[in-house]
Amino acid sequence: AQTVTQSQPEMSVQEAETVTLSCTYDTSENNYYLFWYKQPPSRQMILVIRQEAYKQQNATENRFSVNFQKAAKSFSLKISDSQLGDTAMYFCAFWGYQKVTFGTGTKLQVIP
Amino acid sequence: EAQVTQNPRYLITVTGKKLTVTCSQNMNHEYMSWYRQDPGLGLRQIYYSMNVEVTDKGDVPEGYKVSRKEKRNFPLILESPSPNQTSLYFCASSLWVGSPNGYTFGSGTRLTVV
Repeated sequence: AQTVTQSQPEMSVQEAETVTLSCTYDTSENNYYLFWYKQPPSRQMILVIRQEAYKQQNATENRFSVNFQKAAKSFSLKISDSQLGDTAMYFCAFWGYQKVTFGTGTKLQVIP
Repeated sequence: EAQVTQNPRYLITVTGKKLTVTCSQNMNHEYMSWYRQDPGLGLRQIYYSMNVEVTDKGDVPEGYKVSRKEKRNFPLILESPSPNQTSLYFCASSLWVGSPNGYTFGSGTRLTVV
């Protein structure tokens, strides 16, 4: 069974600074996808970024990028130039062949 | 607009009174799923459906029922709600499980059982 661990329940960052949210997972599968979802106070779940396990290149989406280490089973999210609108809960998700597993989330507060 | 429509957004009910949370998607997605979100526990899967008439238990199915009679609809039924089912519920759909596009989520249902 897959497990996804987000070891930082809460984090804070100053506006315009950079912050990294960690995520590790455990699986025996070789082909899978990894996602980061954002949940602002409105509680809507928003896809931030995704990574295909077969791609070595780290995914980037504007200010969001990942550090994907397949051998270490690590998938961290880096947010550059943090903005107040980045304040949210962030969930890491593992997409395998038969199952989707979410982490417990990291609550990020961006401080003005 | 491609979306997952989930209703109601808020619901307060009493213990034992049957309720249904509706979920409908207009993207012709094969895979649909229900999650509950609780503080410190993240999103936990209740039930999922690979396709019409095919449903299976997730990690926390006790006290819930689902049906998938049509591709677009996947209602969640609580036949006898209890206070420990007070939670935030999400319906989600995707082209198929493991789809590179990930999930499209509904807007969530905040359920309180008193």
